[in-house]
Amino acid sequence: GQQLNQSPQSMFIQEGEDVSMNCTSSSIFNTWLWYKQDPGEGPVLLIALYKAGELTSNGRLTAQFGITRKDSFLNISASIPSDVGIYFCAGPLQTGANNLFFGTGTRLTVIP
Amino acid sequence: SQTIHQWPATLVQPVGSPLSLECTVEGTSNPNLYWYRQAAGRGLQLLFYSVGIGQISSEVPQNLSASRPQDRQFILSSKKLLLSDSGFYLCAWGEGVSEAFFGQGTRLTVV
Repeated sequence: GQQLNQSPQSMFIQEGEDVSMNCTSSSIFNTWLWYKQDPGEGPVLLIALYKAGELTSNGRLTAQFGITRKDSFLNISASIPSDVGIYFCAGPLQTGANNLFFGTGTRLTVIP
Repeated sequence: SQTIHQWPATLVQPVGSPLSLECTVEGTSNPNLYWYRQAAGRGLQLLFYSVGIGQISSEVPQNLSASRPQDRQFILSSKKLLLSDSGFYLCAWGEGVSEAFFGQGTRLTVV
């Protein structure tokens, strides 16, 4: 079946450190989306990537769409306590498909 | 601007009882609509998606069904709940598959 694998599964970092997480797939994606979910809330869209090789920033967040179209990474610089949460990658698995699949998630804990 | 409403926020239901969760979207027309389920500490599993009124696609066989009686209304139902139906249910909308925006979720506990 379809799989989006995220690594690491969880991270514990000190406030102020930079964070890097990635997402890989066995299938080609045409869009990569990165979400953050706070406990008990719905995921919130952080960054959307639409072209292979694209590098996009949103404040302290930077994400890249891999050249092979089978991977993407998300970096967070100078982490702060409110960065705590679960980060998900997502994308439509097939060109023209209307379903959106999510990765397994990376749980981030920031130690003040 | 577009908004999505999902209710109720929490629900406790006995095994064998019916279920109806409702989701409505405002400020857009003919959106893609999605129902996801999230088990505790896990990722999001796509249950159903819809590209238009009356058009429902199911991703996994299960005890649940979905309906889209109006353009911006998406309903998740069950005739008889199972214990394994417990979880966090999320409705989302998007214009195409380039994005999806989520509601606040419904935490369902089947007892």
